[in-house]
Amino acid sequence: RKEVEQDPGPFNVPEGATVAFNCTYSNSASQSFFWYRQDCRKEPKLLMSVYSSGNEDGRFTAQLNRASQYISLLIRDSKLSDSATYLCVVIFSGTYKYIFGTGTRLKVLA
Amino acid sequence: DVKVTQSSRYLVKRTGEKVFLECVQDMDHENMFWYRQDPGLGLRLIYFSYDVKMKEKGDIPEGYSVSREKKERFSLILESASTNQTSMYLCASTAGGTVSYEQYFGPGTRLTVT
Repeated sequence: RKEVEQDPGPFNVPEGATVAFNCTYSNSASQSFFWYRQDCRKEPKLLMSVYSSGNEDGRFTAQLNRASQYISLLIRDSKLSDSATYLCVVIFSGTYKYIFGTGTRLKVLA
Repeated sequence: DVKVTQSSRYLVKRTGEKVFLECVQDMDHENMFWYRQDPGLGLRLIYFSYDVKMKEKGDIPEGYSVSREKKERFSLILESASTNQTSMYLCASTAGGTVSYEQYFGPGTRLTVT
């Protein structure tokens, strides 16, 4: 089983739709969680950290479910510019390692 | 504004050549990382360094070595390039002291080994 798993998609959604991605992780001792965004042929960039209590940044909401060992990303009112690959990142306690999921591809359609 | 730069965006090398990929960051970050990214496999950690002259193997270190002589520079070396090392190579850095900081990535080097 992979340490961090994501549905690769693609998720094709119309503009204005709400879309959600999940990411599961295998190590219950995981410490920190992030969502990164990667545009085609570009480097990954931090979208948001994921806090235990859940957090929101504009149209984006991230949540953590430690009991079921997954994190989620919800995007409301999707824009064409949201089209990208979204990478889930987990850091296990006591390590320097950032474990990346393979990413979920989102296409927002006009 | 944090900046991570990589020496080349595109590189074509022949099998057996020694290849150097350079990464420089300008934010005085302690931690630096080298990844490769392949379709369907995501980002895989090759090596990382948490201090000058310090290095740790990642998940796929075979065929690679690294050098960190100065804090701002982290080099990845392919001792004898092979076709299965054709990939996108990404360098990243983070502030030190904790692993929970944002990773800043360079633009990547797309290496083709023929």
